[in-house]
Amino acid sequence: EVQLVESGGGLVNPGGSLRLSCAASGFTFSSYSMNWVRQAPGKGLEWVSSISSSSSYKYYADSVKGPLTISRDNAKNLLYLQMNSLTAEDTAVYYCARVGGSLYAFGIDYWGQGILVTVSS
Amino acid sequence: QSVLTQPPSVSAAPGQKVTISCSGSSSNIGNNYVSWYQQLPGTAPKLLIYDNNKRPSRISDRFSGSKSGTSATLAITGLQTGDEAHYYCGTWDSSLSAGVFGGGTKLTVL
Repeated sequence: EVQLVESGGGLVNPGGSLRLSCAASGFTFSSYSMNWVRQAPGKGLEWVSSISSSSSYKYYADSVKGPLTISRDNAKNLLYLQMNSLTAEDTAVYYCARVGGSLYAFGIDYWGQGILVTVSS
Repeated sequence: QSVLTQPPSVSAAPGQKVTISCSGSSSNIGNNYVSWYQQLPGTAPKLLIYDNNKRPSRISDRFSGSKSGTSATLAITGLQTGDEAHYYCGTWDSSLSAGVFGGGTKLTVL
Protein backbone atom coordinates (compact mmCIF):
# COMPACT_ATOMS: atom_id res chain seq x y z
CA GLU A 1 0.00 0.00 0.00
CA VAL A 2 1.33 3.40 -0.99
CA GLN A 3 1.78 5.69 2.00
CA LEU A 4 3.01 9.26 2.19
CA VAL A 5 3.40 10.70 5.67
CA GLU A 6 4.32 14.35 6.16
CA SER A 7 6.02 15.75 9.24
CA GLY A 8 7.74 18.92 10.37
CA GLY A 9 4.81 21.30 10.30
CA GLY A 10 3.57 23.52 13.09
CA LEU A 11 3.63 27.13 14.27
CA VAL A 12 6.46 29.35 13.08
CA ASN A 13 7.12 33.06 13.46
CA PRO A 14 7.02 35.36 10.42
CA GLY A 15 10.44 35.40 8.83
CA GLY A 16 11.19 31.97 10.21
CA SER A 17 12.12 28.73 8.49
CA LEU A 18 10.71 25.26 8.40
CA ARG A 19 11.66 21.98 6.79
CA LEU A 20 8.88 19.59 5.87
CA SER A 21 9.58 15.92 5.40
CA CYS A 22 7.59 13.20 3.69
CA ALA A 23 8.23 9.53 4.38
CA ALA A 24 7.25 7.33 1.46
CA SER A 25 6.53 3.61 1.59
CA GLY A 26 4.79 0.90 -0.39
CA PHE A 27 6.41 1.72 -3.73
CA THR A 28 9.80 2.21 -5.36
CA PHE A 29 10.32 5.82 -4.30
CA SER A 30 13.34 6.37 -6.55
CA SER A 31 11.23 5.71 -9.67
CA TYR A 32 8.71 8.51 -9.17
CA SER A 33 8.64 12.27 -9.42
CA MET A 34 7.18 14.01 -6.40
CA ASN A 35 5.29 17.22 -5.70
CA TRP A 36 4.44 19.49 -2.83
CA VAL A 37 0.97 21.03 -3.04
CA ARG A 38 -0.54 23.38 -0.48
CA GLN A 39 -4.00 24.56 0.46
CA ALA A 40 -4.59 27.71 2.48
CA PRO A 41 -7.57 27.63 4.88
CA GLY A 42 -10.80 27.70 2.89
CA LYS A 43 -8.94 28.04 -0.42
CA GLY A 44 -8.13 25.87 -3.40
CA LEU A 45 -5.13 23.73 -4.24
CA GLU A 46 -1.86 25.46 -5.09
CA TRP A 47 1.10 23.67 -6.62
CA VAL A 48 4.31 24.50 -4.76
CA SER A 49 7.18 22.45 -6.16
CA SER A 50 8.15 19.36 -8.17
CA ILE A 51 11.24 17.17 -8.25
CA SER A 52 12.08 14.43 -10.73
CA SER A 53 12.92 10.91 -9.64
CA SER A 54 16.69 11.42 -9.72
CA SER A 55 16.58 15.06 -8.58
CA SER A 56 17.80 16.20 -11.99
CA TYR A 57 14.88 18.57 -12.42
CA LYS A 58 13.37 20.85 -9.80
CA TYR A 59 10.59 23.41 -10.24
CA TYR A 60 9.11 26.02 -7.93
CA ALA A 61 6.01 28.18 -7.86
CA ASP A 62 6.73 31.85 -8.43
CA SER A 63 3.82 32.68 -6.13
CA VAL A 64 5.71 31.41 -3.10
CA LYS A 65 7.61 34.47 -2.03
CA GLY A 66 10.20 33.02 0.30
CA PRO A 67 13.05 30.91 -1.06
CA LEU A 68 12.17 27.25 -1.41
CA THR A 69 14.29 24.17 -1.79
CA ILE A 70 12.90 20.78 -2.69
CA SER A 71 15.10 17.75 -2.25
CA ARG A 72 14.89 14.02 -1.80
CA ASP A 73 16.89 11.14 -0.38
CA ASN A 74 16.12 8.07 -2.46
CA ALA A 75 18.14 5.84 -0.15
CA LYS A 76 15.90 6.80 2.78
CA ASN A 77 12.63 7.21 0.82
CA LEU A 78 12.30 10.78 2.01
CA LEU A 79 11.11 13.98 0.33
CA TYR A 80 11.86 17.41 1.80
CA LEU A 81 10.72 21.00 1.42
CA GLN A 82 12.85 23.70 2.99
CA MET A 83 10.94 26.96 3.39
CA ASN A 84 12.57 30.21 4.48
CA SER A 85 11.41 33.78 5.14
CA LEU A 86 7.91 32.56 5.83
CA THR A 87 4.97 34.97 5.84
CA ALA A 88 1.34 34.65 6.92
CA GLU A 89 0.51 33.89 3.28
CA ASP A 90 2.38 30.61 3.62
CA THR A 91 -0.10 29.37 6.21
CA ALA A 92 -1.63 26.25 4.67
CA VAL A 93 -1.92 22.50 4.74
CA TYR A 94 1.02 21.11 2.78
CA TYR A 95 0.56 17.86 0.90
CA CYS A 96 3.27 15.50 -0.26
CA ALA A 97 2.10 13.93 -3.53
CA ARG A 98 3.36 11.31 -5.95
CA VAL A 99 3.25 11.81 -9.70
CA GLY A 100 2.07 8.59 -11.33
CA GLY A 101 3.76 9.05 -14.68
CA SER A 102 5.88 11.72 -16.30
CA LEU A 103 6.48 14.76 -14.12
CA TYR A 104 5.01 16.92 -16.88
CA ALA A 105 1.88 14.77 -17.23
CA PHE A 106 1.10 15.98 -13.71
CA GLY A 107 -1.17 13.09 -12.76
CA ILE A 108 -0.86 13.03 -8.97
CA ASP A 109 -2.03 9.56 -8.03
CA TYR A 110 -1.28 9.49 -4.31
CA TRP A 111 -1.45 12.22 -1.67
CA GLY A 112 -0.33 12.35 1.92
CA GLN A 113 -2.78 13.33 4.65
CA GLY A 114 -1.29 16.81 4.75
CA ILE A 115 0.50 18.79 7.44
CA LEU A 116 -0.51 22.19 8.74
CA VAL A 117 1.97 25.05 8.68
CA THR A 118 0.88 28.17 10.55
CA VAL A 119 2.91 31.35 10.26
CA SER A 120 2.01 33.71 13.07
CA SER A 121 3.56 35.64 15.90
CA GLN B 1 -6.43 34.34 -9.92
CA SER B 2 -5.92 30.79 -11.16
CA VAL B 3 -4.28 30.03 -14.50
CA LEU B 4 -7.04 27.50 -15.16
CA THR B 5 -10.65 28.69 -14.97
CA GLN B 6 -13.40 26.57 -13.44
CA PRO B 7 -16.95 27.53 -12.49
CA PRO B 8 -17.15 28.15 -8.74
CA SER B 9 -20.14 25.89 -8.33
CA VAL B 10 -22.43 23.47 -10.12
CA SER B 11 -25.47 21.57 -8.94
CA ALA B 12 -27.75 18.80 -10.11
CA ALA B 13 -30.23 16.30 -8.74
CA PRO B 14 -29.38 12.75 -7.71
CA GLY B 15 -29.18 10.43 -10.69
CA GLN B 16 -28.53 13.26 -13.12
CA LYS B 17 -25.39 14.14 -15.04
CA VAL B 18 -23.19 17.15 -14.43
CA THR B 19 -20.20 18.54 -16.28
CA ILE B 20 -17.42 20.73 -14.92
CA SER B 21 -15.33 22.78 -17.30
CA CYS B 22 -11.69 23.80 -17.06
CA SER B 23 -10.40 26.47 -19.40
CA GLY B 24 -6.76 27.27 -20.04
CA SER B 25 -4.41 28.17 -22.83
CA SER B 26 -2.02 26.66 -25.33
CA SER B 27 0.81 26.68 -22.80
CA ASN B 28 -1.05 24.45 -20.38
CA ILE B 29 -4.17 22.48 -21.36
CA GLY B 30 -3.55 22.93 -25.06
CA ASN B 31 -0.27 21.03 -25.01
CA ASN B 32 -0.24 19.01 -21.81
CA TYR B 33 -2.26 16.32 -20.11
CA VAL B 34 -5.09 17.26 -17.76
CA SER B 35 -5.93 15.52 -14.52
CA TRP B 36 -8.96 15.87 -12.25
CA TYR B 37 -9.21 15.56 -8.47
CA GLN B 38 -12.03 15.17 -5.98
CA GLN B 39 -11.67 16.61 -2.51
CA LEU B 40 -14.23 15.65 0.10
CA PRO B 41 -14.48 17.94 3.14
CA GLY B 42 -11.55 17.55 5.51
CA THR B 43 -9.70 15.03 3.35
CA ALA B 44 -6.80 14.98 0.91
CA PRO B 45 -7.57 15.21 -2.81
CA LYS B 46 -8.11 12.03 -4.77
CA LEU B 47 -7.19 11.43 -8.41
CA LEU B 48 -10.22 10.85 -10.63
CA ILE B 49 -8.85 11.29 -14.14
CA TYR B 50 -5.32 11.48 -15.56
CA ASP B 51 -3.89 11.93 -19.05
CA ASN B 52 -7.09 13.77 -20.06
CA ASN B 53 -9.41 10.78 -20.02
CA LYS B 54 -7.87 7.82 -18.19
CA ARG B 55 -9.37 6.56 -14.99
CA PRO B 56 -7.49 4.80 -12.18
CA SER B 57 -8.83 1.30 -11.65
CA ARG B 58 -10.32 2.19 -8.28
CA ILE B 59 -12.43 5.03 -9.72
CA SER B 60 -16.03 4.47 -10.79
CA ASP B 61 -16.85 4.65 -14.50
CA ARG B 62 -19.42 7.31 -13.61
CA PHE B 63 -16.48 9.72 -13.86
CA SER B 64 -15.07 10.59 -17.28
CA GLY B 65 -12.79 13.24 -18.72
CA SER B 66 -12.31 14.83 -22.09
CA LYS B 67 -10.21 17.57 -23.66
CA SER B 68 -10.68 19.75 -26.69
CA GLY B 69 -8.21 22.46 -27.60
CA THR B 70 -7.52 24.56 -24.53
CA SER B 71 -10.45 23.28 -22.48
CA ALA B 72 -11.15 20.13 -20.53
CA THR B 73 -14.33 18.70 -19.06
CA LEU B 74 -15.12 16.35 -16.21
CA ALA B 75 -18.45 14.55 -16.47
CA ILE B 76 -20.15 12.75 -13.61
CA THR B 77 -23.18 10.60 -14.33
CA GLY B 78 -25.65 8.98 -11.96
CA LEU B 79 -25.01 11.62 -9.32
CA GLN B 80 -24.99 10.49 -5.70
CA THR B 81 -25.05 12.55 -2.52
CA GLY B 82 -21.59 11.18 -1.79
CA ASP B 83 -20.29 13.03 -4.86
CA GLU B 84 -20.74 16.36 -3.08
CA ALA B 85 -17.20 17.70 -2.98
CA HIS B 86 -14.80 20.17 -4.53
CA TYR B 87 -13.36 19.22 -7.90
CA TYR B 88 -10.07 20.53 -9.30
CA CYS B 89 -8.42 20.31 -12.68
CA GLY B 90 -4.64 20.39 -12.96
CA THR B 91 -1.96 20.36 -15.59
CA TRP B 92 1.59 21.44 -16.37
CA ASP B 93 2.19 24.88 -17.83
CA SER B 94 5.13 24.77 -20.23
CA SER B 95 5.60 28.54 -20.30
CA LEU B 96 5.64 28.89 -16.52
CA SER B 97 7.52 25.60 -16.01
CA ALA B 98 5.08 25.01 -13.20
CA GLY B 99 2.13 22.92 -12.18
CA VAL B 100 -1.21 24.72 -12.20
CA PHE B 101 -4.63 23.99 -10.73
CA GLY B 102 -8.02 25.43 -11.43
CA GLY B 103 -9.71 27.37 -8.68
CA GLY B 104 -11.99 24.47 -7.88
CA THR B 105 -15.69 23.76 -8.37
CA LYS B 106 -18.07 22.91 -5.55
CA LEU B 107 -20.57 20.28 -6.59
CA THR B 108 -23.90 20.24 -4.80
CA VAL B 109 -26.23 17.30 -5.27
CA LEU B 110 -29.67 18.71 -4.62
